[in-house]
Amino acid sequence: QKEVEQDPGPLSVPEGAIVSLNCTYSNSAFQYFMWYRQYSRKGPELLMYTYSSGNKEDGRFTAQVDKSSKYISLFIRDSQPSDSATYLCAMKNGGGGADGLTFGKGTHLIIQP
Amino acid sequence: DAGVTQSPTHLIKTRGQQVTLRCSPKSGHDTVSWYQQALGQGPQFIFQYYEEEERQRGNFPDRFSGHQFPNYSSELNVNALLLGDSALYLCASSRTGVTTGELFFGEGSRLTVL
Repeated sequence: QKEVEQDPGPLSVPEGAIVSLNCTYSNSAFQYFMWYRQYSRKGPELLMYTYSSGNKEDGRFTAQVDKSSKYISLFIRDSQPSDSATYLCAMKNGGGGADGLTFGKGTHLIIQP
Repeated sequence: DAGVTQSPTHLIKTRGQQVTLRCSPKSGHDTVSWYQQALGQGPQFIFQYYEEEERQRGNFPDRFSGHQFPNYSSELNVNALLLGDSALYLCASSRTGVTTGELFFGEGSRLTVL
């Protein structure tokens, strides 16, 4: 079993729809959770960062963490064609320090105009 | 303000050769991490450098080595290249002590091994 599982898609939705992206993980030591967006042939760009269980909202994006279920989600409201990209969830251990991030495979999202 | 810059952007090597990739971190950042992203996969952590020393290493063989210079720039070296080393190599920079996980990534160096 991989530490982080993420459905690679592709996930295709019409413009304006609410998008739900999800990851599950198995390592209880993960304490920090992030979502990155990666456009084709570009480096990943941080969208959201969360630490505790619960919701965090930033504009059209909402990140949700459920540590008891080891499940994280990213919701995108009023989706736009410019949101078409690969979305990567990433996690790291607690305690600060030099921990590298563990990424999911990424979900390829397509927003149809 | 320049972000993370990487060079070269693309390169082609043959099996057994050696390659050096370069990275300049974002201004004000002192920590550099390297990731390998195979096609259709998420990035995998190779190692992290701070104060010119390797602080942590992922599950990569010793063929992968690195260096950080006093100006915080970094190099990734891969020896005895294998076909499976073909990937996008991403450099990410951050400021030490920042625990948000906010890494700033470069656009990567795409390595093809024939």
